[in-house]
Amino acid sequence: QQQVKQSPQSLIVQKGGIPIINCAYENTAFDYFPWYQQFPGKGPALLIAIRPDVSEKKEGRFTISFNKSAKQFSLHIMDSQPGDSATYFCAASIAKAAGNKLTFGGGTRVLVKP
Amino acid sequence: DAGITQSPRHKVTETGTPVTLRCHQTENHRYMYWYRQDPGHGLRLIHYSYGVKDTDKGEVSDGYSVSRSKTEDFLLTLESATSSQTSVYFCAIRGGVDTQYFGPGTRLTVL
Repeated sequence: QQQVKQSPQSLIVQKGGIPIINCAYENTAFDYFPWYQQFPGKGPALLIAIRPDVSEKKEGRFTISFNKSAKQFSLHIMDSQPGDSATYFCAASIAKAAGNKLTFGGGTRVLVKP
Repeated sequence: DAGITQSPRHKVTETGTPVTLRCHQTENHRYMYWYRQDPGHGLRLIHYSYGVKDTDKGEVSDGYSVSRSKTEDFLLTLESATSSQTSVYFCAIRGGVDTQYFGPGTRLTVL
């Protein structure tokens, strides 16, 4: 049972393009939504995170959009660069739940062509 | 890398053998986690610990056990490895209020 569904599975864009990755969740108790970036052979690294009290958050070229009523959130990579080529994971958790366990989406492999 | 190391980084073993993976942290974090990563599944929680000798199950705990006798070490044991446990295993710590930081991973192959 996958509580966080991520799409697409893979994405190819040209340098300067804006890859968009979408996630949908089922559990309305989720209240923390991080995105992780993973390069081959490395562990996932926290990229940016949002809570449901805001609809958008920007950090550098990365933006999260959040739609609480639709139970969806997305990651936009502005002015994408070849160095952004990586696998991206969305996740969700309940901040005050025991263990603060993260539920991950299936991942999106992004390739940015020069 | 949040001061997390994992050992070994790569391991090949045979079906039926016991395997123990180690996660070591240097920053005295209370919460530690073990995940497995498989294509299309993202990362799935196996077990987690909220203190010395305090552990609980995640969503894919069958076939795995854990132990935490010291704050800095969290061990994951496969009592009798199966081919379905071939995966990349990541340890994580909880830093800050909600954030988890991951180690470099262990690639395990069960033949």
